[in-house]
Amino acid sequence: GAGVSQTPSNKVTEKGKYVELRCDPISGHTALYWYRQSLGQGPEFLIYFQGTGAADDSGLPNDRFFAVRPEGSVSTLKIQRTERGDSAVYLCASSPLAGSRTDTQYFGPGTRLTVL
Amino acid sequence: AQSVAQPEDQVNVAEGNPLTVKCTYSVSGNPYLFWYVQYPNRGLQFLLKYITGDNLVKGSYGFEAEFNKSQTSFHLKKPSALVSDSALYFCAVRDAGAGNMLTFGGGTRLMVKP
Repeated sequence: GAGVSQTPSNKVTEKGKYVELRCDPISGHTALYWYRQSLGQGPEFLIYFQGTGAADDSGLPNDRFFAVRPEGSVSTLKIQRTERGDSAVYLCASSPLAGSRTDTQYFGPGTRLTVL
Repeated sequence: AQSVAQPEDQVNVAEGNPLTVKCTYSVSGNPYLFWYVQYPNRGLQFLLKYITGDNLVKGSYGFEAEFNKSQTSFHLKKPSALVSDSALYFCAVRDAGAGNMLTFGGGTRLMVKP
């Protein structure tokens, strides 16, 4: 079946602009995660949704970052007043049942964000 | 707090030889451990996981990993490396009693030479 998809694959923006990154999870997966991967590093957790609600947003770096999942499927990560330090690959993952011992997160291809 | 260390930035191995990619972890509770592989311009692909039970876990593409509780390690292994195994490998941990977030190591680049 179809995996996690993310759009756009690449986004170039100017400092101070607003951007939206979209994630389509695997059909039927209840949990959705956002991670950020800076160059040469491992992914870092940003936020996790169980259904429509953000169950854990402890990884969001500041209030310029916000994410929604209004219908419990597609999610949008929103970044206001972008800064050059926001440049990274933003990864989305989904899993069938968060909290289950056997739960596994499956990742999309990522959106590469470049802030000039 | 949970953390993962991958002490080697790069591992070089000849095709046909066994490979090991090292990972150690730290969690407060019981660990759930994962290995992912990342090819250029691609997302992370799940390889295998340890939840409980047998310490030797078998995964995709002939990879396996051994959980060692006393050494807090979860090294990735393969008996015979292929050139196509060349990629970036990430170890990750989830604390069984502390949420669903994965904490990743910094990654190890595996280079398999013909």
